[in-house]
Amino acid sequence: DAKTTQPPSMDCAEGRAANLPCNHSTISGNEYVYWYRQIHSQGPQYIIHGLKNNETNEMASLIITEDRKSSTLILPHATLRDTAVYYCIVFEYGNKLVFGAGTILRVKS
Amino acid sequence: NAGVMQNPRHLVRRRGQEARLRCSPMKGHSHVYWYRQLPEEGLKFMVYLQKENIIDESGMPKERFSAEFPKEGPSILRIQQVVRGDSAAYFCASSPTETQYFGPGTRLLVL
Repeated sequence: DAKTTQPPSMDCAEGRAANLPCNHSTISGNEYVYWYRQIHSQGPQYIIHGLKNNETNEMASLIITEDRKSSTLILPHATLRDTAVYYCIVFEYGNKLVFGAGTILRVKS
Repeated sequence: NAGVMQNPRHLVRRRGQEARLRCSPMKGHSHVYWYRQLPEEGLKFMVYLQKENIIDESGMPKERFSAEFPKEGPSILRIQQVVRGDSAAYFCASSPTETQYFGPGTRLLVL
């Protein structure tokens, strides 16, 4: 079973920031927080990951709380092409990814 | 650097036939994972392989399914005597040691 809890769906206006929350209260010290997304049943696309510190790349930012029990993925300027299912996964290197139901993000014009 | 490649992208088989799905990992990646997504369901892990070794096959159905990752060539997921319930999208991911990168998937339809 997935060790994360995400809202089933969210809406975001085009051009605005999309903030996707994730709870992972049972995360262990060796586990990273990973985010993937899946657009129209394509292959999952890696977005970003982190262990303790906040991370930023060209796609998104990841904010992890100090106790590591929750995190937020931020898409700074959402576009229609960001409409997808977003998966938050806690993951230890060398293991399998366990996907939950994810959050359906709908970006609307 | 080319991404993970899977072929065929679409495969149609009749019940009882065999299906062979191929996955070429990204250059330099020695770890391959297979996942299955049944219609309207989430992605489920099937098997994790390194070159010539199966590391974790806890998600593989006990019968008819097998996987290999030979020293040379792509990883192969083989489904013998396919049934309609095998219709799904099969995704392969590869990693150097950490982050997994997914291919576009193979859509298997069993008639």
